[in-house]
Amino acid sequence: AQTVTQSQPEMSVQEAETVTLSCTYDTSESDYYLFWYKQPPSRQMILVIRQEAYKQQNATENRFSVNFQKAAKSFSLKISDSQLGDAAMYFCAYRRTGANNLFFGTGTRLTVIP
Amino acid sequence: DGGITQSPKYLFRKEGQNVTLSCEQNLNHDAMYWYRQDPGQGLRLIYYSQIVNDFQKGDIAEGYSVSREKKESFPLTVTSAQKNPTAFYLCASSIRGRGSNQPQHFGDGTRLSIL
Repeated sequence: AQTVTQSQPEMSVQEAETVTLSCTYDTSESDYYLFWYKQPPSRQMILVIRQEAYKQQNATENRFSVNFQKAAKSFSLKISDSQLGDAAMYFCAYRRTGANNLFFGTGTRLTVIP
Repeated sequence: DGGITQSPKYLFRKEGQNVTLSCEQNLNHDAMYWYRQDPGQGLRLIYYSQIVNDFQKGDIAEGYSVSREKKESFPLTVTSAQKNPTAFYLCASSIRGRGSNQPQHFGDGTRLSIL
């Protein structure tokens, strides 16, 4: 069974600084997708970034980037130049190729300190 | 603008009562999903549907039922058999396709509470 683990229930970062959120997963599959979702206080889930397992290059979306270590089954999210609007719950999610359903971690609550 | 609409935003259920949560999307997505979110936990899949008139149980389907009569709509009924229904419910949709890396798009959620 697939499991996704986020070992940091809470993190904080000073505005304009960089923070890294950790995520590990367990799977026997070789082809899959990984996602980071953001859930602000409004509770809507917003896609931040995605990574295909077959791609060695780490995905980047503006201030957001990932460190994908396939052998270690690790998928961390780095937020650069943190902004107050980045404060939210962040969820790591896994999806096996050919499947539609996502497996989510328990989330990391990020606080941005002005 | 395309998106997913969930209603109502807040819902209260009496003991022994069935309630239905609405989810409508105008993204022309084939696949739709229902998740439950409890405090301190991630989302857990209740049911999903890849095409009209077809749906599959997720990890926690007991006490819930769904229908998919139209592509745009995927209502979730929380039955009286669900003994702990208080939670935040999120509906999502996505493009269906093998190997697709298309993400799921989420609605704003419905918070269900027991009276």
